[in-house]
Amino acid sequence: GAVVSQHPSRVICKSGTSVKIECRSLDFQATTMFWYRQFPKQSLMLMATSNEGSKATYEQGVEKDKFLINHASLTLSTLTVTSAHPEDSSFYICSARGFLAGDDNEQFFGPGTRLTVL
Amino acid sequence: RKEVEQDPGPFNVPEGATVAFNCTYSNSASQSFFWYRQDCRKEPKLLMSVYSSGNEDGRFTAQLNRASQYISLLIRDSKLSDSATYLCVVNGHFGNEKLTFGTGTRLTIIP
Repeated sequence: GAVVSQHPSRVICKSGTSVKIECRSLDFQATTMFWYRQFPKQSLMLMATSNEGSKATYEQGVEKDKFLINHASLTLSTLTVTSAHPEDSSFYICSARGFLAGDDNEQFFGPGTRLTVL
Repeated sequence: RKEVEQDPGPFNVPEGATVAFNCTYSNSASQSFFWYRQDCRKEPKLLMSVYSSGNEDGRFTAQLNRASQYISLLIRDSKLSDSATYLCVVNGHFGNEKLTFGTGTRLTIIP
């Protein structure tokens, strides 16, 4: 199946700093990428949907100025958590959907990034 | 009411037994349904799609009841490697590509 990578896999940062997470589709062109967040023992919650070359669509309650999403190419989307605080500590997972990657609706998930804000 | 509801478990089942999970969804316009499995501290992975006619993949059988807005997953002859959290996932109505995840059902297979 199609492969999606994320970097870094784990990051620990101080409160107030910004953290950038990269999501890459390695063997297909991702027309749409999704960013999810998962707190312990909770379900994955969609944060935003990004289409290549256009602004991301954020879910209700997700601050677009705090979680900056850039989908500049068909293989790369980035999520920047600005001025991170301890409550932003979570497991951030991206997924991608696109041409020649499974059926039209299948999303392929990255391995996730575990963020800990001290 | 949550959009997708599952019994969180945990289900502790002896190896070789049969186990069934259920899931209900609130949006009657939902079009696509899936079961994902998620291992501890890992990303979710697609286990199988769920079709109205029901479908089977080896030891796994999925059923969909649109009238009751109910999805099930049956695992036969359970293996130790089946231990994971099973996520019920629903896609929106046509044109809505969002996946909505249930909180998952935790399964542990006991040797």
